[in-house]
Amino acid sequence: ELKVEQNPLFLSMQEGKNYTIYCNYSTTSDRLYWYRQDPGKSLESLFVLLSNGAVKQEGRLMASLDTKARLSTLHITAAVHDLSATYFCAVVIGGADGLTFGKGTHLIIQP
Amino acid sequence: DAGVIQSPRHEVTEMGQEVTLRCKPISGHDYLFWYRQTMMRGLELLIYFNNNVPIDDSGMPEDRFSAKMPNASFSTLKIQPSEPRDSAVYFCASSLREAPNTGELFFGEGSRLTVL
Repeated sequence: ELKVEQNPLFLSMQEGKNYTIYCNYSTTSDRLYWYRQDPGKSLESLFVLLSNGAVKQEGRLMASLDTKARLSTLHITAAVHDLSATYFCAVVIGGADGLTFGKGTHLIIQP
Repeated sequence: DAGVIQSPRHEVTEMGQEVTLRCKPISGHDYLFWYRQTMMRGLELLIYFNNNVPIDDSGMPEDRFSAKMPNASFSTLKIQPSEPRDSAVYFCASSLREAPNTGELFFGEGSRLTVL
């Protein structure tokens, strides 16, 4: 059974600080996705990582994938309040199609 | 594109009643997924379709739940009879298998179900 674990589950940080969210998964996978969800809203796709060593950046967010370690990171640089949200990573096992999601990291960025 | 469209956005019903949730995927997408989100269990995959054919329904909690996709532009998730523990947000998502972003899901706004 595929397990996806995120760490931390809750994070409160100050504006201007840097931090990293970790996503570990239990079974070999070559595709990993990061999503953002604001309270009461839908899930918005942030990054699609399709190979080992993949790195993608958008604004203050950067995601990377290490398939050998079964680890992805979402790095936040110089956080701003607008980045407050819940961030999910999701993984699919090769040959299957549905994404298995982590529990999510609830991020609060305080002024 | 209008994105994935779900209805109703909110549904409040009494235990024992039938509930039908509806979804229109993004035009041209060949996969459709139904997820359920709760605080306790997070996001759970219930069932998904490929080219209107159900592929994996192992996540459907029990026989009270059923899903159909009669054509490429419409799917339903039905709960009959509903129970309070079915209260959750139900998301529909669609995707296109082909590159460049293989398997990226696009989610609807969700249907928030409350069963009293």
